Amino acid sequence: GQQLNQSPQSMFIQEGEDVSMNCTSSSIFNTWLWYKQDPGEGPVLLIALYKAGELTSNGRLTAQFGTTRKDSFLNISASIPSDVGIYFCAGQLGGSQGNLIFGKGTKLSVKP
Amino acid sequence: DAGVTQSPTHLIKTRGQQVTLRCSPKSGHDTVSWYQQALGQGPQFIFQYYEEEERQRGNFPDRFSGHQFPNYSSELNVNALLLGDSALYLCASSLGTGGSGNQPQHFGDGTRLSIL
Repeated sequence: GQQLNQSPQSMFIQEGEDVSMNCTSSSIFNTWLWYKQDPGEGPVLLIALYKAGELTSNGRLTAQFGTTRKDSFLNISASIPSDVGIYFCAGQLGGSQGNLIFGKGTKLSVKP
Repeated sequence: DAGVTQSPTHLIKTRGQQVTLRCSPKSGHDTVSWYQQALGQGPQFIFQYYEEEERQRGNFPDRFSGHQFPNYSSELNVNALLLGDSALYLCASSLGTGGSGNQPQHFGDGTRLSIL
């Protein structure tokens, strides 16, 4: 099936460091979303972006909707152990095309 | 405020059998989408239900079917199970806007289906 290109695939960081991950697509999306999934649980919505160029924060998380509408970025500042998990980007065309198209995820591991 | 709830949490079936998974949407939501998540992959869209009708479908065979009830809850049915159907099945709910905009989808914790 169709998927977005998400990178990096995994990363190990020191507690307190900042983290960046991104997602690119060959298709234009009207909405970009970022989810976090912990083991044994479903994805939890972190940030939703609706306009090209939009920059939105949720606590230590900041995400941006790329100006080309084909990419998005997520930054986590001052990482802590509970940030461990898998982060997924998802694009949505909108209107009658309500399905989400997901990346393969970025697995974040933090060294205490 | 109850979130999206799915049942059962785990299920083991054998090849050729049939399975029904259930989902109750988040309070106030009227649209339900189903996704299949294989190990190590992102979720793949199966179909979406709105006003008790299948509004959109992903690239899944007819063995996958669904239903939405008047109370907005939904079922996913899979017939003639194959080994490759082993996956986490996720339900997501949202507030439908009739095409005038997107509302974010909120996920349940999924049903882990294992095919022997």
